Amino acid sequence: DAGVIQSPRHEVTEMGQEVTLRCKPISGHNSLFWYRQTMMRGLELLIYFNNNVPIDDSGMPEDRFSAKMPNASFSTLKIQPSEPRDSAVYFCASSLTGHSGNTIYFGEGSWLTVV
Amino acid sequence: DAKTTQPNSMESNEEEPVHLPCNHSTISGTDYIHWYRQLPSQGPEYVIHGLTSNVNNRMASLAIAEDRKSSTLILHRATLRDAAVYYCGTYYGGSQGNLIFGKGTKLSVKP
Repeated sequence: DAGVIQSPRHEVTEMGQEVTLRCKPISGHNSLFWYRQTMMRGLELLIYFNNNVPIDDSGMPEDRFSAKMPNASFSTLKIQPSEPRDSAVYFCASSLTGHSGNTIYFGEGSWLTVV
Repeated sequence: DAKTTQPNSMESNEEEPVHLPCNHSTISGTDYIHWYRQLPSQGPEYVIHGLTSNVNNRMASLAIAEDRKSSTLILHRATLRDAAVYYCGTYYGGSQGNLIFGKGTKLSVKP
């Protein structure tokens, strides 16, 4: 079975440019998560969707970050404008439901470098 | 603030057991404890999870303290392929979806 699919795997962009990261969750999963990973802060939860509806976006660092889930099989995380401190690995993950007993499945990550 | 703490690093010899600790002192009574591991350049992968009782699967065992404020991931016989960063995570606040991870423990396995 296909796992969580993220694109692009790697992106290098200049400061000020818009960055869009994409995610396709596992088919049938109703919950989707975006995490950011850096050396300093580890794995941080940015936002969580349940049935395509954003439930908790308290982890989104600032207004430059936005996330959408227009349907059950697609989500985007957008950074506009990007800054060097946004350089990180961004992981998308999905689970069957949002219940804390469910396993979360991670994608391979999108490695973002902002220069 | 909710907080999950783990040691930064641990070392083990191959074929020996490894006990990876995690403290989650503010966990609520209904939130599960999860463990994931991450190999270089890969996304985190599920290892094990539990609520109150100790849990076993083919990868590891999870020992949960009676007060649930701490847990220990047990690898019974470490192999070189077990060298990874191990993350402990719990759902804080009783709400769904807020799986908060610790900073992770980097496990090194010596042959």
